[in-house]
Amino acid sequence: GAVVSQHPSRVICKSGTSVKIECRSLDFQATTMFWYRQFPKKSLMLMATSNEGSKATYEQGVEKDKFLINHASLTLSTLTVTSAHPEDSSFYICSARGDQTSLGNQPQHFGDGTRLSIL
Amino acid sequence: SQKIEQNSEALNIQEGKTATLTCNYTNYSPAYLQWYRQDPGRGPVFLLLIRENEKEKRKERLKVTFDTTLKQSLFHITASQPADSATYLCSHQGNQGGKLIFGQGTELSVKP
Repeated sequence: GAVVSQHPSRVICKSGTSVKIECRSLDFQATTMFWYRQFPKKSLMLMATSNEGSKATYEQGVEKDKFLINHASLTLSTLTVTSAHPEDSSFYICSARGDQTSLGNQPQHFGDGTRLSIL
Repeated sequence: SQKIEQNSEALNIQEGKTATLTCNYTNYSPAYLQWYRQDPGRGPVFLLLIRENEKEKRKERLKVTFDTTLKQSLFHITASQPADSATYLCSHQGNQGGKLIFGQGTELSVKP
């Protein structure tokens, strides 16, 4: 089955630090990758959508200068939380999807998430 | 706006019984719905996708139905086991750039 690897699984760092999270599709080419944020007991909140080789599309209310997304290849996307502050502490999850089929849909496959804690 | 809703209350059932989770959608007609399982501290795991022209889809002990008249999808786990305890998420692909829109999830607890 499709595997998405997300790294690191947990980060604890000081306020003001920039943190990079990697998301890799291991056995398929991910045309599109998505970044989500999830608060405790809440559903996934989409932050941005990225297509390989183009700029990410951010959801309303998400600061693109704060959350830098790079999707340089068909198997790798990165999310960098710049100058992180305690309010950025959260569970960040990436997902990847291959090319849409003639039926027009493919499931997304998720990484295992990154627990970010800013002190 | 397109909304997808799941029963936010936790569902507690006895081992061996069938668990039924509900997903309702309003203000749109999704071409398909997807169901995911999420364990605490982990990313969602894809379970099943059902298209609007499919009334029912099965995978082992899982069954999903799609009723476009009721605007509802039901997710069933038969012969439930404690290992089935998790949060189950219903989602659809919105018509804005293909992003998934998730329900809030239903937490299932199967007691031995």
